[in-house]
Amino acid sequence: DGGITQSPKYLFRKEGQNVTLSCEQNLNHDAMYWYRQDPGQGLRLIYYSQIVNDFQKGDIAEGYSVSREKKESFPLTVTSAQKNPTAFYLCASSLGLASHNEQFFGPGTRLTVL
Amino acid sequence: GENVEQHPSTLSVQEGDSAVIKCTYSDSASNYFPWYKQELGKRPQLIIDIRSNVGEKKDQRIAVTLNKTAKHFSLHITETQPEDSAVYFCAAPYNTDKLIFGTGTRLQVFP
Repeated sequence: DGGITQSPKYLFRKEGQNVTLSCEQNLNHDAMYWYRQDPGQGLRLIYYSQIVNDFQKGDIAEGYSVSREKKESFPLTVTSAQKNPTAFYLCASSLGLASHNEQFFGPGTRLTVL
Repeated sequence: GENVEQHPSTLSVQEGDSAVIKCTYSDSASNYFPWYKQELGKRPQLIIDIRSNVGEKKDQRIAVTLNKTAKHFSLHITETQPEDSAVYFCAAPYNTDKLIFGTGTRLQVFP
């Protein structure tokens, strides 16, 4: 399924804790993305990165942070500042610009705040 | 701002009937329009896409049409089968470097 993996599959967090979601790809893709999926709201972009050591905020970046130290890795940290973090998180990658290239998605991480 | 509207939010059809999902977009510079299918508990996967230099594209039972003047594009599924049951998302690019997704259509095909 495209060589992009996410871990863990399920994650539980107590309020006030930061948590990091892993995303790895072996497709040699330059661009990587993080989306949040809530029922009835489609996929909303959190952060994206087109090249190593560079990333941009998406539409709902508040309360999240990312890093892109390696081409194949794009971890997402959900901080305690995120008011409603319970959701399904999807990572994706593409060979180049989103305006021209298919995005390949990982299997997702379901985060639940207890 | 950028926006992609998708209708309907739910669609139920009898096996063998056709299904049509419509999307409208706001960025007139958009020129790539993918459709993704997400089965229950699984990741979204690209099923078909269209670029602005064509008005229609077909792949077996699936087709997509594009009207750039009206800024809308549609997914057509003919001879629906139970395995077509899923959530379908349209998307359009904004500022070349990101995709804006529609809110999804839950398609149910009844045998």
